[in-house]
Amino acid sequence: GQQLNQSPQSMFIQEGEDVSMNCTSSSIFNTWLWYKQEPGEGPVLLIALYKAGELTSNGRLTAQFGITRKDSFLNISASIPSDVGIYFCAGPLGNMLTFGGGTRLMVKP
Amino acid sequence: DVKVTQSSRYLVKRTGEKVFLECVQDMDHENMFWYRQDPGLGLRLIYFSYDVKMKEKGDIPEGYSVSREKKERFSLILESASTNQTSMYLCASSLVPYEQYFGPGTRLTVT
Repeated sequence: GQQLNQSPQSMFIQEGEDVSMNCTSSSIFNTWLWYKQEPGEGPVLLIALYKAGELTSNGRLTAQFGITRKDSFLNISASIPSDVGIYFCAGPLGNMLTFGGGTRLMVKP
Repeated sequence: DVKVTQSSRYLVKRTGEKVFLECVQDMDHENMFWYRQDPGLGLRLIYFSYDVKMKEKGDIPEGYSVSREKKERFSLILESASTNQTSMYLCASSLVPYEQYFGPGTRLTVT
């Protein structure tokens, strides 16, 4: 089963609003990754985090590797309609990646 | 930019048919992966490969096999397709094991 829990499961926001979502695990992870999947497409890697406490930005996106190493956060500032999609967190489990269930983001123009 | 391509975006097959899904990456990545994605179940790993002719089972390998004869190509084979294999299939590749780059996906329908 899934090791990573994402919340919220879905969000419906107004264009221009900031967005926060998070991912938690009962296990410690040494790497956190955030992906975005648009309808009908494969996931696209947004940000990779490798160090506890690390804060990394990619344009309007900022992700943080939690100090406990059991969580990670993704923030999107000043959302726009093209931010629509499903955002997945992922972390290594042995030789494989395990994915959260995703946060579906909908943006109202 | 990393480019991962999949042979078909949409595929419709009949129960019992042998199905080949092809994936090609152009970045000389060692690692390649096949996932299926289903509503409510997220992404589940079927098989992965860390080298040519090498394969390892993921979480749900039953009913599937794979082939990696060349570094850039990783094929997923459904020996005898069944309706419960109707799904979105995603291929990924990576240089560093965890930074995986995905293809656009193949939506397979088995009737």
